[in-house]
Amino acid sequence: DVKVTQSSRYLVKRTGEKVFLECVQDMDHENMFWYRQDPGLGLRLIYFSYDVKMKEKGDIPEGYSVSREKKERFSLILESASTNQTSMYLCASSFPGRTSEGYNEQFFGPGTRLTVL
Amino acid sequence: AQSVSQHNHHVILSEAASLELGCNYSYGGTVNLFWYVQYPGQHLQLLLKYFSGDPLVKGIKGFEAEFIKSKFSFNLRKPSVQWSDTAEYFCAVNARYGGSQGNLIFGKGTKLSVKP
Repeated sequence: DVKVTQSSRYLVKRTGEKVFLECVQDMDHENMFWYRQDPGLGLRLIYFSYDVKMKEKGDIPEGYSVSREKKERFSLILESASTNQTSMYLCASSFPGRTSEGYNEQFFGPGTRLTVL
Repeated sequence: AQSVSQHNHHVILSEAASLELGCNYSYGGTVNLFWYVQYPGQHLQLLLKYFSGDPLVKGIKGFEAEFIKSKFSFNLRKPSVQWSDTAEYFCAVNARYGGSQGNLIFGKGTKLSVKP
């Protein structure tokens, strides 16, 4: 079974703090993704990575950065947390590129519910 | 830009009722389509996917979806829902274009509440 784990299920931080969210996958997936999930807005892509040390901006990268030093680990960083970053953060991973069956599905972690006070 | 529309925000059904959740996407090329489900307190998991071939796709737990290319739709169906189907359902599209790997674009989700 593919397993994607996230370092915390719940996190409470104060405005201005630097926040690290960690994600680890155990299936040797090249691709990793960070989303935020908000009621009525669905999932929005923050950043993604197709390889170690590689990163690409998603749809809402402002206020976030990422780090991928090892293949299995993808970190999301909030440099200076703000209240509008209170959300559920989801990490996902997948195999890369095209296959005979098209693009591979993404496997998700349990999420980190972050509250910024 | 590609987009995915899920028309129903919240659907309430009684057990044994039939279910159809709408999903439309906007992209004229080749697409891969997915339905994910998120049960209360659990992580997103894949319900079913369409890559090519038979447009009627069967997934887990009795769910199926039909890809209708002319309507840009990929509606999710289940003949008879159970209380345990209470969850939020997300439609997603992965557009294949050029050499791009294509990221998943998600709809805003539909909450399904099944009354026992």
